[in-house]
Amino acid sequence: QLVESGGGLVKPGGSLRLSCAGSGFTFNTYPMNWVRQAPGRGLEWVSSNGLRGGDVWYAESVKGRFIISRENAKNSLYLQMNSLRDDDTAVYFCARGMVGHYGMDVWGPGTTVTVSS
Amino acid sequence: QSVLTQPPSASGTPGQRVTISCSETNSNLRRDTVNWFQYVPGTAPKLLIYSNDQRPSGVPDRFSGSKSGTSASLAINGLQSEDEADYYCAAWDDSVSGWVFGGGTKLTVL
Repeated sequence: QLVESGGGLVKPGGSLRLSCAGSGFTFNTYPMNWVRQAPGRGLEWVSSNGLRGGDVWYAESVKGRFIISRENAKNSLYLQMNSLRDDDTAVYFCARGMVGHYGMDVWGPGTTVTVSS
Repeated sequence: QSVLTQPPSASGTPGQRVTISCSETNSNLRRDTVNWFQYVPGTAPKLLIYSNDQRPSGVPDRFSGSKSGTSASLAINGLQSEDEADYYCAAWDDSVSGWVFGGGTKLTVL
C-alpha cells in the first residue's frame, strides 16, 4: 500500500514537500515514481528514484525545480517541489516500480497540489 | 523524445470486445516496457498490463495486451459497465530516461 501526503495550496514561486509512505512490502527493493495529473489533462510522469543512490530521473518540465529522494529506513519517498508554477497544479501519485522499468504496479490514491495566488 | 498516441475515445456495448491502440513515434522506447493503466478520476490508477502483455495477479483475463513493432494494443473482452474509465499506455523511454504516457483513451460502455 502507498499513501501520499503533503499536498495543499501554495503560491507561485513557493515550495512544498510531498511524502509517500509504503507498507506491506520491502520498500528498499523497489524503484519508486511520482506521476501527476493536471486538471483536464492526462497522466504525466514526474520523477523516478531507482535502487542505486545516483539513479534519479526527472521530466524536463520539473528538472532543476523538483528533487526526489527516499528514506528506506522509514519506507518513505519524497518529492521536494520548489519554484512552483501554476501548471504544477495537479494530483500527485506515488507509484511503486518494477526493476528494469517494466512497470508501475502499485499506486497511491494521490495528493492534490494547487498552485495559485 | 518518443510520443505515444492513443485515440481519445472508444466505446462498446456490454459483452463486446474493444481494443485500444497505442502507437509510438520513435523507437527509443525500451523493449518490453509497455504498461496499460485503468484510471477513474479520484481513485488510484490500476495497472492492467506490464511488459507489453503480462497481466498482474488479480486483473481479470478479459484484459490482454499485445505489441507488434511500434504499436501496442489493449483488448477488453466481454465488456462490462464497470470498465468505463480512462485507459493509458506508458513505456520507458531510454532517450530521456523516463516514462512516457499516451494521452489517454476515454472508454464509454453504451
